[in-house]
Amino acid sequence: DADVTQTPRNRITKTGKRIMLECSQTKGHDRMYWYRQDPGLGLRLIYYSFDVKDINKGEISDGYSVSRQAQAKFSLSLESAIPNQTALYFCATSDRDSPWHGYTFGSGTRLTVV
Amino acid sequence: DQQVKQNSPSLSVQEGRISILNCDYTNSMFDYFLWYKKYPAEGPTFLISISSIKDKNEDGRFTVFLNKSAKHLSLHIVPSQPGDSAVYFCAASEYGKLTFGQGTILTVHP
Repeated sequence: DADVTQTPRNRITKTGKRIMLECSQTKGHDRMYWYRQDPGLGLRLIYYSFDVKDINKGEISDGYSVSRQAQAKFSLSLESAIPNQTALYFCATSDRDSPWHGYTFGSGTRLTVV
Repeated sequence: DQQVKQNSPSLSVQEGRISILNCDYTNSMFDYFLWYKKYPAEGPTFLISISSIKDKNEDGRFTVFLNKSAKHLSLHIVPSQPGDSAVYFCAASEYGKLTFGQGTILTVHP
């Protein structure tokens, strides 16, 4: 099983619909993150959580919300999807005691909003 | 304002030669710098990192160089192999949060 699992892998949804992307991890890491990737823009941080009771906005949080249900689970919601939220979404985890090891990423969710 | 920049969208090299990928940053508070590799349909995978107090770190065929005065880092891959063909992202860490560059597509020709 993958260390970081994202579901679904692919999703097509209509404008205005609410959608949730889920992430679970078996790394035992405290820290979890949501990024989106767009061509030519790299990966941009949406939200991050350093522990279960800690939620922080990233650089592009507008239109998104998150929930940290447990140490191992971090979900991202689009309350009312719009076409410019079409992107590749990645969840990641990290160990606070080993910042030089970087993040462990999931395989991504490709979201298309039509 | 983009704090981490990779100004070359793509790089093409011959198998066996050196690949050099470059990255510039603006924030002096970054404490670690990292390189990730990404294949299509997969998440980025960690390649190598360097602390801001070092100027070089080596791991097998991969070496990262950091020039703090120029706010510049580079990744050298020697020798390059066709399996190295992927998108490479540089990233910089501040208090555990990573800021990524736009990525460089590396193509290694047999």
